[in-house]
Amino acid sequence: DGGITQSPKYLFRKEGQNVTLSCEQNLNHDAMYWYRQDPGQGLRLIYYSQIVNDFQKGDIAEGYSVSREKKESFPLTVTSAQKNPTAFYLCATQRSSGLSYGYTFGSGTRLTVV
Amino acid sequence: QQPVQSPQAVILREGEDAVINCSSSKALYSVHWYRQKHGEAPIFLMILLKGGEQKGHDKISASFNEKKQQSSLYLTASQLSYSGTYFCGTDSGNTPLVFGKGTRLSVIA
Repeated sequence: DGGITQSPKYLFRKEGQNVTLSCEQNLNHDAMYWYRQDPGQGLRLIYYSQIVNDFQKGDIAEGYSVSREKKESFPLTVTSAQKNPTAFYLCATQRSSGLSYGYTFGSGTRLTVV
Repeated sequence: QQPVQSPQAVILREGEDAVINCSSSKALYSVHWYRQKHGEAPIFLMILLKGGEQKGHDKISASFNEKKQQSSLYLTASQLSYSGTYFCGTDSGNTPLVFGKGTRLSVIA
């Protein structure tokens, strides 16, 4: 079955440490997105990519970085510059960045700073 | 800018109806609706494109008034399985979705 795999499910980060969240899809979707979810805040866009080797910043990109070297993969690195990284992170894909397609979400990674 | 959803939370008994509203200050090309269970991924429900189309499946439907930049989600004869947080996501034209803060729906027996 096609789908999105996010790993790990839970991640603990120490102060000053960089961590990378994995997002892999086998849906053959062109567009991929990273959203951050905080309680009562909805989903806020971090980065997105519409094609391989290209990506754009979202509304809250500071302290994060991404790469899109393969169509299937869109990893997110949370750097030490992100001062409040504790949140639920969701990766999503879309068949293309066209208007008629819904998003498919992964099951998320819950990141906690310890 | 983030669309505004109302109400923030609603509690229903099984069989009752509910309406969730989504309002934007920007011109919209499409509106998406998603449902999320606690700790799980949001699930796509439907998309409404510019044109005021009303769509639906089963007992969940939605409308889109592009002139007012508003969309409404209608849940009829609610079931326990409808419980969760509902999000609208708005698109102003080939841009990533901007999501509202969500409406928490609880259906009780």
